Amino acid sequence: AQSVAQPEDQVNVAEGNPLTVKCTYSVSGNPYLFWYVQYPNRGLQFLLKYITGDNLVKGSYGFEAEFNKSQTSFHLKKPSALVSDSALYFCAVRDGRYSTLTFGKGTMLLVSP
Amino acid sequence: EAGVTQSPTHLIKTRGQQATLRCSPISGHTSVYWYQQALGLGLQFLLWYDEGEERNRGNFPPRFSGRQFPNYSSELNVNALELEDSALYLCASSQDRSLGYTFGSGTRLTVV
Repeated sequence: AQSVAQPEDQVNVAEGNPLTVKCTYSVSGNPYLFWYVQYPNRGLQFLLKYITGDNLVKGSYGFEAEFNKSQTSFHLKKPSALVSDSALYFCAVRDGRYSTLTFGKGTMLLVSP
Repeated sequence: EAGVTQSPTHLIKTRGQQATLRCSPISGHTSVYWYQQALGLGLQFLLWYDEGEERNRGNFPPRFSGRQFPNYSSELNVNALELEDSALYLCASSQDRSLGYTFGSGTRLTVV
């Protein structure tokens, strides 16, 4: 079975500082990895994905994520946080056989001015 | 291009009643996925429909059911509502497995 762990319920960072939101995964085959963001009372918005290729993936709004196969991690990063980045972030994984995304429980990112 | 649309936005039902939620995927997307987002529980996979067939089902009781119509729109039905069914129900669609999902804004179901 596939699973995703987001070990932090909340991450606090000051505006202008770099941010990292952690994600580790478990799948039986090659992982398809995704990050989504959710603003209050809204659906999820796609940020970025890793399917294959370069381990550093760049996505929307200046976010990037690094795939680390040996550590089974896919941490989300941004060099300089904005207050408007404050939201709930979800990591998700699927493998080809199951074809449905399994989500982590989410990490609330709070960026203070 | 229109996104994934869900209706209604909000729904209030009494315990024991039935709820019907609707989803229209992005044009050209044949797969529709339903997720439940209850407070503190993250996103729980409910159902996956593709080409009119139920392809996979999450760990939910049979009173959660649905269908996909020939135009690929989908309906989620929840029978014998319980208080703990109160949640945001999200629908997503996709065309290609590798491209991830596009989500709608959800239906907020409140059971009183």
